[in-house]
Amino acid sequence: QKEVEQNSGPLSVPEGAIASLNCTYSDRVSQSFFWYRQYSGKSPELIMSIYSNGDKEDGRFTAQLNKASQYVSLLIRDSQPSDSATYLCAVNGNKLVFGAGTILRVKS
Amino acid sequence: DAGITQSPRHKVTETGTPVTLRCHQTENHRYMYWYRQDPGHGLRLIHYSYGVKDTDKGEVSDGYSVSRSKTEDFLLTLESATSSQTSVYFCAISESLRGHQPQHFGDGTRLSIL
Repeated sequence: QKEVEQNSGPLSVPEGAIASLNCTYSDRVSQSFFWYRQYSGKSPELIMSIYSNGDKEDGRFTAQLNKASQYVSLLIRDSQPSDSATYLCAVNGNKLVFGAGTILRVKS
Repeated sequence: DAGITQSPRHKVTETGTPVTLRCHQTENHRYMYWYRQDPGHGLRLIHYSYGVKDTDKGEVSDGYSVSRSKTEDFLLTLESATSSQTSVYFCAISESLRGHQPQHFGDGTRLSIL
């Protein structure tokens, strides 16, 4: 079992819809959780951090964390074609571990 | 943007040759990392450093060595490059190894070994 798991996708959503990206992790001592966006040919860019259970909103992005279920998600409201990218989930317990990423495609 | 510069950005070389990639940071962060990214594998940690002359292995360290003689520079060396080391290499920095500090990435080096 991988330490951090994401569906590889691609996840296709129409422009203006909500994109929901999911991530599960295995290390129960994990303390901090990050979402990175990576455009094709570019480096990962940090877009969201979350440390406690519940929701955290930043503009069109909402990160959700449920430590009991070992589950973290990223919602993107009003999805735009410019949101098309690979989204990496990263979980920090004793070390930072990255998921393999979910490809998101927003169709106009 | 975090001040991280990787060089070279692209390199093509032949099997068996030595290759050194450089990462330079201006953030004075203690921790520096080298990752490789390959399709289907995501980001895999090669080596990391927690201070000058202090380094440790990651999950895919075989065939790679690193050095950190100054806080701002972290070098990754492939002593004798093999085709399996063709990849995109990213350097990252962070203020702490654990806890709430994320890692920030350089622009990457695309390395092709023929």
